[in-house]
Amino acid sequence: AQKVTQAQTEISVVEKEDVTLDCVYETRDTTYYLFWYKQPPSGELVFLIRRNSFDEQNEISGRYSWNFQKSTSSFNFTITASQVVDSAVYFCALTLFMEYGNKLVFGAGTILRVKS
Amino acid sequence: GAVVSQHPSRVICKSGTSVKIECRSLDFQATTMFWYRQFPKKSLMLMATSNEGSKATYEQGVEKDKFLINHASLTLSTLTVTSAHPEDSSFYICSAQGGAHLNTEAFFGQGTRLTVV
Repeated sequence: AQKVTQAQTEISVVEKEDVTLDCVYETRDTTYYLFWYKQPPSGELVFLIRRNSFDEQNEISGRYSWNFQKSTSSFNFTITASQVVDSAVYFCALTLFMEYGNKLVFGAGTILRVKS
Repeated sequence: GAVVSQHPSRVICKSGTSVKIECRSLDFQATTMFWYRQFPKKSLMLMATSNEGSKATYEQGVEKDKFLINHASLTLSTLTVTSAHPEDSSFYICSAQGGAHLNTEAFFGQGTRLTVV
């Protein structure tokens, strides 16, 4: 069965610290997509990244970086030099391919609190 | 990315009334729309998947008579919470998929915070 585990319920850091959010997934599919979303207090989901299962290259976007390790079924997200504006809930998600559309299976989310 | 608009963003209704939430894809044709529900401090749980012109597919445990979903056009899906009760209070969020994004990702609306009093 498809499953996404975000073992860290809540993380608190002080501004400028680096922080890594863990994501472990389970799937029987050989082709799949992994996502990270940010959900600020306002509620909307902000898309951060999509990663194809065939592309194991790590990616960096500004202060954000992602480490995709197929061997350990992990897709971890690191924020470098965290800022107060990074405080939010972060969700990792996995695509479940269905006949009628590709739905997302979400992890439980990690609450990140960045203190000044 | 593509734009999905959800309306209203917040709604307060009296117990026993019905509430309709709209989800529109503004710049692409959404062949599939998804409706999620999120309880406070919890993850997003898929309620149902709707394909344009056909009946929605509901996840196990979701009451189809309670949560009516209509996907009458390629740009609009609606979720109607019928005879709402306080336990229906939640954050509802839609996502849409289709066109050039068919096999890659779905785009999310802004969400609707429903409070039933």
